[in-house]
Amino acid sequence: EAQVTQNPRYLITVTGKKLTVTCSQNMNHEYMSWYRQDPGLGLRQIYYSMNVEVTDKGDVPEGYKVSRKEKRNFPLILESPSPNQTSLYFCASSLSPAGVFNEQFFGPGTRLTVL
Amino acid sequence: AQSVTQPDIHITVSEGASLELRCNYSYGATPYLFWYVQSPGQGLQLLLKYFSGDTLVQGIKGFEAEFKRSQSSFNLRKPSVHWSDAAEYFCAVGAKEYGNKLVFGAGTILRVKS
Repeated sequence: EAQVTQNPRYLITVTGKKLTVTCSQNMNHEYMSWYRQDPGLGLRQIYYSMNVEVTDKGDVPEGYKVSRKEKRNFPLILESPSPNQTSLYFCASSLSPAGVFNEQFFGPGTRLTVL
Repeated sequence: AQSVTQPDIHITVSEGASLELRCNYSYGATPYLFWYVQSPGQGLQLLLKYFSGDTLVQGIKGFEAEFKRSQSSFNLRKPSVHWSDAAEYFCAVGAKEYGNKLVFGAGTILRVKS
């Protein structure tokens, strides 16, 4: 089944404890992206990648890191999480490198709570 | 800077009634316009998109949207709402001038009453 998977789905952690949220797609998509969703703010783009080893900042990249060593994986890293990073996170992928102009397929989301 | 406004945070309609969800954007160039739907506890699913051509676009689940350049709007419509349409709806806009970034509106929560 074609899909975007994220792990974990739920995570509660404490301030400063490094964490990684994994994202994997099995559709051979070029473009991958991370968003965070907060009430009243919709989705905001954190980072995106148009291809392996190519990443760029979205609108809210502060406090996050990403890497794209393989086409299928695009992990989101929080080196020192803070409470303001408590949010619902979505990974998405798209076939074309200009992914924002094509349909994006979204993962199920990761709900992160930072205490 | 690009921005997307969905003026209605919540909308309640009766099952079988018509629906219109509003979306206004602020861009200097030709935008790429999308509507996504998020069912409770789920990721987002594309309903429809507009890039160019006919300004009335048809999507899945009986939805349509009309691009009006003069009003900078891309409103979503459905002639007869079903209870299963209850969800949150997001308008999103991209433009090549702003790189590979997609900007989402804050969303409109649709409630359907029977």
